[in-house]
Amino acid sequence: EILMTQSPATLSVSPGERATLSCRASQSVSSNLAWYQQKPGQAPRLLISGASTRATGIPARFSGSGLGTEFTLTISSLQSEDFAIYYCQQYNNWPFTFGPGTKVDIK
Amino acid sequence: EVQLLESGGGLVQPGKSLRLSCVASGFTFNNFAMSWVRQAPGKGLEWVSGISGSDDTIYYADSVKGRFTISRDNSKNMLYLQMNSLRAEDTAVYYCARDRFPYCTSGNCYFDYWGQGTLVTVSS
Repeated sequence: EILMTQSPATLSVSPGERATLSCRASQSVSSNLAWYQQKPGQAPRLLISGASTRATGIPARFSGSGLGTEFTLTISSLQSEDFAIYYCQQYNNWPFTFGPGTKVDIK
Repeated sequence: EVQLLESGGGLVQPGKSLRLSCVASGFTFNNFAMSWVRQAPGKGLEWVSGISGSDDTIYYADSVKGRFTISRDNSKNMLYLQMNSLRAEDTAVYYCARDRFPYCTSGNCYFDYWGQGTLVTVSS
């Protein structure tokens, strides 16, 4: 099973600032990496697939990059609605595993 | 508009059974694989089981293999999860999620729509 790790566990950011979230896989997952956003009491929402392709309706301030084992989700200028937990998920090898999440909160 | 609505959760004793349902609307159901993903209270996401759009391929996480059974009825746009021999560690919100593709395979298994979830609590 591929182990996904995310760092930091919590990221405190001021509105308008840039946020950079990291996701690491225990072995290569090629570009088969998705990012999801989850707000309290809500279901996850797909942000990024294929490591860098934004899902329909996702604002351009969200961008993804990386390949192999190291991935990054960048939020260029945090808006109030972006404070949430972000999960990465690899879908290269069964079972398709999620990372533990990074909580982005208000500084 | 794509909608997924789960039902069937509740409080159940260890060792007992429960059946979850998910009704889908707003898309051609049999064109998409579907999965169940769970989230224990205060924890992260865990993929549980998936089924292809045509119902010919099924997948389970090791943690539920032999205890849970996924199925679908494409004529009714319904997804199901039969959960037997429930354990305390199965306590979670269970989400129904649509895969982007007809088959959940390597390189093609991420979830573009999710239901709101149904809570399953296993406790005596």
